[in-house]
Amino acid sequence: DIQMTQSPASLSVSVGETVTITCRASENIYSNLAWYQQKQGKSPQLLVYAATNLADGVPSRFSGSGSGTQYSLKINSLQSEDFGSYYCQHFWGTPYTFGGGTKLEIK
Amino acid sequence: QVQLKESGPGLVAPSQSLSITCTVSGFSLTGYGVNWVRQPPGKGLEWLGMIWGDGSTDYNSALKSRLSISKDNSKSQVFLKMNSLQTDDTARYYCARDSGNSYAMDYWGQGTSVTVSS
Repeated sequence: DIQMTQSPASLSVSVGETVTITCRASENIYSNLAWYQQKQGKSPQLLVYAATNLADGVPSRFSGSGSGTQYSLKINSLQSEDFGSYYCQHFWGTPYTFGGGTKLEIK
Repeated sequence: QVQLKESGPGLVAPSQSLSITCTVSGFSLTGYGVNWVRQPPGKGLEWLGMIWGDGSTDYNSALKSRLSISKDNSKSQVFLKMNSLQTDDTARYYCARDSGNSYAMDYWGQGTSVTVSS
């Protein structure tokens, strides 16, 4: 099974700052990667698919990048509504493993 | 619009089985796969398995012996059954639509909370 290592596990940041979350796969996943945002008490929501494509309605301050085994989610100019947890997930063959998650908190 | 909604028992006794139904609308189960994902309280997401549009299934290898996913296309329902539940199976269980070619889960249900306790 492919393992997904996500970092950092938590991050304390201020509104307006820029953050980057990374995900490393245990083998090449050929950009078959999605990112999700989950707010407290809510279901996860798709942010990015195929490593770099924003889902419908996702603000342009979010961007995904990467290839091979290394992927990143960048959030420019953090807004208050961006705080919550973020997860990566690979789709290079089942099981579709998630990363451990990153909790983004307000400083 | 696309919607998924889970319904489950809420409380399950240890060693008993769990059955959850995911009722979908706004799309056909013959055209899209549906995934099951769970999240223990305060923890991360775990992919459990999925059923594809053609009815074939894939499972998390760690849970495969206890899991079964099936569906009724005519009723737009997907079913999760898990046997021999233990306290660490306590979690919120979600169903989520597989987006198809874009390799993501694009729509999620609200989830149903399951507590394993005597």
